[in-house]
Amino acid sequence: GGIITQTPKFLIGQEGQKLTLKCQQNFNHDTMYWYRQDSGKGLRLIYYSITENDLQKGDLSEGYDASREKKSSFSLTVTSAQKNEMAVFLCASSPPNTEVFFGKGTRLTVV
Amino acid sequence: QQQVRQSPQSLTVWEGGTTVLTCSYEDSTFNYFPWYQQFPGEGPALLISILSVSDKKEDGRFTTFFNKREKKLSLHIIDSQPGDSATYFCAARSTNTGKLTFGDGTVLTVKP
Repeated sequence: GGIITQTPKFLIGQEGQKLTLKCQQNFNHDTMYWYRQDSGKGLRLIYYSITENDLQKGDLSEGYDASREKKSSFSLTVTSAQKNEMAVFLCASSPPNTEVFFGKGTRLTVV
Repeated sequence: QQQVRQSPQSLTVWEGGTTVLTCSYEDSTFNYFPWYQQFPGEGPALLISILSVSDKKEDGRFTTFFNKREKKLSLHIIDSQPGDSATYFCAARSTNTGKLTFGDGTVLTVKP
């Protein structure tokens, strides 16, 4: 079996700060995703990537950048952290058209 | 407009009872419908899934039903256990984009 590792687990940032979240997977999956989960809400797609160096915008991409440096890693940058951005950011990966596997998340707090 | 609508928001059942969660959708390009289970501090984990060519899939105490004509699906949990207490999400994937869209989730509490 594989694993998705997200770092850091907890991230505290200042309002206006640029923050980067990292994700590594050893499943050798082609597709990787970044979702945002707000308390009491479902998961909303920020960015996804179907292969190395590919980027596709999701429904919530404004205010974020992403980078797929290599097949196993996918990073997400919050370009200017806002106080209403406190949420859990979930990274996921999947082979084509099958189950999506999730990491445990990075909990972001903006002060 | 929310693409996948899930109800109820929260639900409490007694141990041994049957839990029923429902979702509806509008997009006709959705063809794959997974249900995820999430415990606090963890990422969502796949519980059961169904393709639009099927109307029922069963896995132990968990069964998902799909009604293509009405664009609805449901998750039934029989003999509910306190360990089933978690948040459950339905989701749908589009054949066009490959994007997986989630409902807002149901917080299930099973009381002993």
